[in-house]
Amino acid sequence: NAGVTQTPKFQVLKTGQSMTLQCAQDMNHEYMSWYRQDPGMGLRLIHYSVGAGITDQGEVPNGYNVSRSTTEDFPLRLLSAAPSQTSVYFCASSYGGTSYEQYFGPGTRLTVT
Amino acid sequence: KQEVTQIPAALSVPEGENLVLNCSFTDSAIYNLQWFRQDPGKGLTSLLLIQSSQREQTSGRLNASLDKSSGRSTLYIAASQPGDSATYLCAIKTGANNLFFGTGTRLTVIP
Repeated sequence: NAGVTQTPKFQVLKTGQSMTLQCAQDMNHEYMSWYRQDPGMGLRLIHYSVGAGITDQGEVPNGYNVSRSTTEDFPLRLLSAAPSQTSVYFCASSYGGTSYEQYFGPGTRLTVT
Repeated sequence: KQEVTQIPAALSVPEGENLVLNCSFTDSAIYNLQWFRQDPGKGLTSLLLIQSSQREQTSGRLNASLDKSSGRSTLYIAASQPGDSATYLCAIKTGANNLFFGTGTRLTVIP
């Protein structure tokens, strides 16, 4: 199993540009999430999905969109990038329910100038 | 909102020493607690998962404890090695899919 994969590894955007961060998992996990990690702060939840076709907002959803058309994929879209979105983005997945551990991807380092 | 604190923020120890990393949380209504390791520029690797009904979990040289009533967890690392150098994060699961993370303890094991 490849586990949780993310592309790209690095990205530089100009303010106002849009892009999609890709996330895929091959473990047949129902739950998938996006987090951002900023210096001096813990990882914070952006959006999550409990299954195909179902998404919900986390703690810091503004400026981001998600959709979940398949079990495997959970892309994160930045509609109009802002410097405040400069961060490292992690995708995670787990089996459904509250008892299971989360598995994280390697991250995407995004810089918005 | 759940607040998760990890103290100290950084720790340096000589190789071979046993050490304890601390994690405290404000709301005891948790489903589980997970300890992760993060190497510089890398993703998170899950180390141990403790369910809310459990008191501890062990994996190799690692032992994690959970005391919900006091809002504390510890990660004990025995006989530390330079390869243990990394940032250690604890995360609390409070909902179906939400983990609240601490800011981590950066551990350096000196050969």
